[in-house]
Amino acid sequence: AQSVTQLDSHVSVSEGTPVLLRCNYSSSYSPSLFWYVQHPNKGLQLLLKYTSAATLVKGINGFEAEFKKSETSFHLTKPSAHMSDAAEYFCVVSEEGGGFKTIFGAGTRLFVKA
Amino acid sequence: NAGVTQTPKFRILKIGQSMTLQCTQDMNHNYMYWYRQDPGMGLKLIYYSVGAGITDKGEVPNGYNVSRSTTEDFPLRLELAAPSQTSVYFCASQDRNSNQPQHFGDGTRLSIL
Repeated sequence: AQSVTQLDSHVSVSEGTPVLLRCNYSSSYSPSLFWYVQHPNKGLQLLLKYTSAATLVKGINGFEAEFKKSETSFHLTKPSAHMSDAAEYFCVVSEEGGGFKTIFGAGTRLFVKA
Repeated sequence: NAGVTQTPKFRILKIGQSMTLQCTQDMNHNYMYWYRQDPGMGLKLIYYSVGAGITDKGEVPNGYNVSRSTTEDFPLRLELAAPSQTSVYFCASQDRNSNQPQHFGDGTRLSIL
């Protein structure tokens, strides 16, 4: 069975410092993994996706994530936070077949201090 | 390219009223989804559809109905609105393969008083 655990409900960083948002997953098959960002009063926007190609995935706005099968993790990072990165971030796992087999994590709220 | 369009953006209903949340997509995607997002929570799947004429229940279907008469449209119906249905509703679409991302609308903010 699939599951997704975002290890932190809130993360606070200072502008210009690194960002780390943690995500662990479980899946019976080789999953596809995604990170989405949600700004206030907006829908979810895709940041990046992993689909069994390179384990280090680069996304938009300077974000990247590394797929580590041995640790069942897919942590999201950014070298230097910007004020505009303040938002809610969701880790998502999807198994072959799509449809109902897509699970969203509970989300991590990122705060960026000036 | 409009993507996924949801209407209305905001709505206030009285208990017991009914309404339909509209969702349309112009990407010719087979899969479509309805989610609700409660404050501080992730998304919960209400209903989904894998193609025109085919719908199925998600995690929290009670109190809702859907139809999929065309590939483009996937309306969500609330028959007897209850305060517990106060939430933000998101519609999403996805290409057939699970390695493709879901595309989301901007949401409908619904309050039931």
